[in-house]
Amino acid sequence: AQKVTQAQTEISVVEKEDVTLDCVYETRDTTYYLFWYKQPPSGELVFLIRRNSFDEQNEISGRYSWNFQKSTSSFNFTITASQVVDSAVYFCALTPFNTGGFKTIFGAGTRLFVKA
Amino acid sequence: DAEITQSPRHKITETGRQVTLACHQTWNHNNMFWYRQDLGHGLRLIHYSYGVHDTNKGEVSDGYSVSRSNTEDLPLTLESAASSQTSVYFCASSSGQGRTDTQYFGPGTRLTVL
Repeated sequence: AQKVTQAQTEISVVEKEDVTLDCVYETRDTTYYLFWYKQPPSGELVFLIRRNSFDEQNEISGRYSWNFQKSTSSFNFTITASQVVDSAVYFCALTPFNTGGFKTIFGAGTRLFVKA
Repeated sequence: DAEITQSPRHKITETGRQVTLACHQTWNHNNMFWYRQDLGHGLRLIHYSYGVHDTNKGEVSDGYSVSRSNTEDLPLTLESAASSQTSVYFCASSSGQGRTDTQYFGPGTRLTVL
């Protein structure tokens, strides 16, 4: 089965706290791609990152970092020193290479509230 | 700048009516997708297309249809709208140059079926 699980439905933090959003995936493909998207209150979906299954290096982009671990099938997203503007719904997604075509499977999303 | 647009942004209709949601992209992307977003479900794939005259069913295709007559457009039609189809609909596209392609999304259409 191909599946993405974001177990945290909602998270609430105070500004400047660090927060980690969890993502666990299932796929039988050996080659696949993982994504994170942000959906701010305005509703659009903003692409944040893409990672392929052969590259387990962690990635950092400003206050954002991603931890990809194939051993635990996880692709977690950490926001350091959170800000109110980080308040959004965050989606983790999976594109299997062999069996999924171009289709992407999305998790249910995690709603992050950052309070001032 | 290349972009992907959806119209209308908001639509209210009545049960049983036919509704068409437009999606237009200027990226010249081969692949286009329609999703619906409902609370607790994330995004679920309705239909997708890998090129002109190609259409495929996604996981929640019942009651919906699409056609692809050119590269830029993939309209989504609800043949006979039902209250269960009240949702936010997103169109997306990807280049089709490789299966790694990132999907880029339109702004969404909020549809209410009364």
